[in-house]
Amino acid sequence: DTAVSQTPKYLVTQMGNDKSIKCEQNLGHDTMYWYKQDSKKFLKIMFSYNNKELIINETVPNRFSPKSPDKAHLNLHINSLELGDSAVYFCASSHREGSSYNSPLHFGNGTRLTVT
Amino acid sequence: QQQVKQSPQSLIVQKGGIPIINCAYENTAFDYFPWYQQFPGKGPALLIAIRPDVSEKKEGRFTISFNKSAKQFSLHIMDSQPGDSATYFCAASIGRNTGKLIFGQGTTLQVKP
Repeated sequence: DTAVSQTPKYLVTQMGNDKSIKCEQNLGHDTMYWYKQDSKKFLKIMFSYNNKELIINETVPNRFSPKSPDKAHLNLHINSLELGDSAVYFCASSHREGSSYNSPLHFGNGTRLTVT
Repeated sequence: QQQVKQSPQSLIVQKGGIPIINCAYENTAFDYFPWYQQFPGKGPALLIAIRPDVSEKKEGRFTISFNKSAKQFSLHIMDSQPGDSATYFCAASIGRNTGKLIFGQGTTLQVKP
């Protein structure tokens, strides 16, 4: 009954490779997000999709491309991986509309990406 | 303006102690202030949240104190337990699009038995 699930949990790859991370939520939320947590545990939003439409795109290199086939899924594809991409990537979901107080963000358990 | 500054970076208390984590912000447009708790290998999970129209909110052993004029808010954990050992993040957001959270730098809390 996992609410927000990500695969894989660990991803080790070499520089220059292309990789994808998948995310699915079963909470019925209409908005999904990707957050990045760096080695100092700092969390920062990367992207947000609402009903398959991109609504937030922070300053992220073009090598990162999110794709949302439906409102329950949001994948992250990364091209030409670099050492600096090593981090933990978290998928999250919420309801976009309505009181912020009643629609908190629900996070997955993260994908630890290591680029060697 | 978009930053949330959190302190201390780490905190060690004895069981039963009351750790206090502080956050400060500049952007007066922020109107939602949640705290998230993260255990190793897990994603952050919402602990408690407050809106700026109240000065305090309590849920179980966790209390948020909010000072709108000072643009500061803090988390107090009463009767802390070893199971509370985790990383705590304050955050803030603007308006109805609550998913765009601006996080503080995090505080690693260790509660010793």
